[in-house]
Amino acid sequence: GAVVSQHPSWVICKSGTSVKIECRSLDFQATTMFWYRQFPKQSLMLMATSNEGSKATYEQGVEKDKFLINHASLTLSTLTVTSAHPEDSSFYICSAQTHYEQYFGPGTRLTVT
Amino acid sequence: GENVEQHPSTLSVQEGDSAVIKCTYSDSASNYFPWYKQELGKGPQLIIDIRSNVGEKKDQRIAVTLNKTAKHFSLHITETQPEDSAVYFCAASKETSGSRLTFGEGTQLTVNP
Repeated sequence: GAVVSQHPSWVICKSGTSVKIECRSLDFQATTMFWYRQFPKQSLMLMATSNEGSKATYEQGVEKDKFLINHASLTLSTLTVTSAHPEDSSFYICSAQTHYEQYFGPGTRLTVT
Repeated sequence: GENVEQHPSTLSVQEGDSAVIKCTYSDSASNYFPWYKQELGKGPQLIIDIRSNVGEKKDQRIAVTLNKTAKHFSLHITETQPEDSAVYFCAASKETSGSRLTFGEGTQLTVNP
């Protein structure tokens, strides 16, 4: 149980284009979903918290117009990186929370050329 | 806010030996402490967690201890195997829905055959 999927697992895009990453909880309904960014050899950096049907809460320093989050249902959240630039290249990971336990997806490797 | 410190940053052991990773937290209101294992290129996997109403929890070769008074908790892995090699993260949060996790900086564990 408690499986979280992410799609795609990796993506390469050109600078200036937008990329959408999907996060799904497969066998449970998630009260809250979280989006993280991780740089090599570093810990996870929380970008935003989202609840189904409401606006996401962004961490300080995260541009909400650049990283659009839509939490359409209790099992699906999407992160759209708009007008991507090479500095947006990173490993993006989502997590889904049931009660207070968080289960993570496998991550999406984004490379912007 | 909560601050979690994790030591050591790297740990190398021989197969069959034990490994111990320690974390301290600052917010006395935190009452949920999960540990995650992250293999290269993958998302973190919840391996064990402990709540503040217990002092120790064990699951096969993995155990976690919690000292609320001193505000520290530790991960113990016995009879280590090469497949235990990974980055381990401790985290702390309040045991409520929507509560964010605060992560330690991670420990790179290497088990040498």
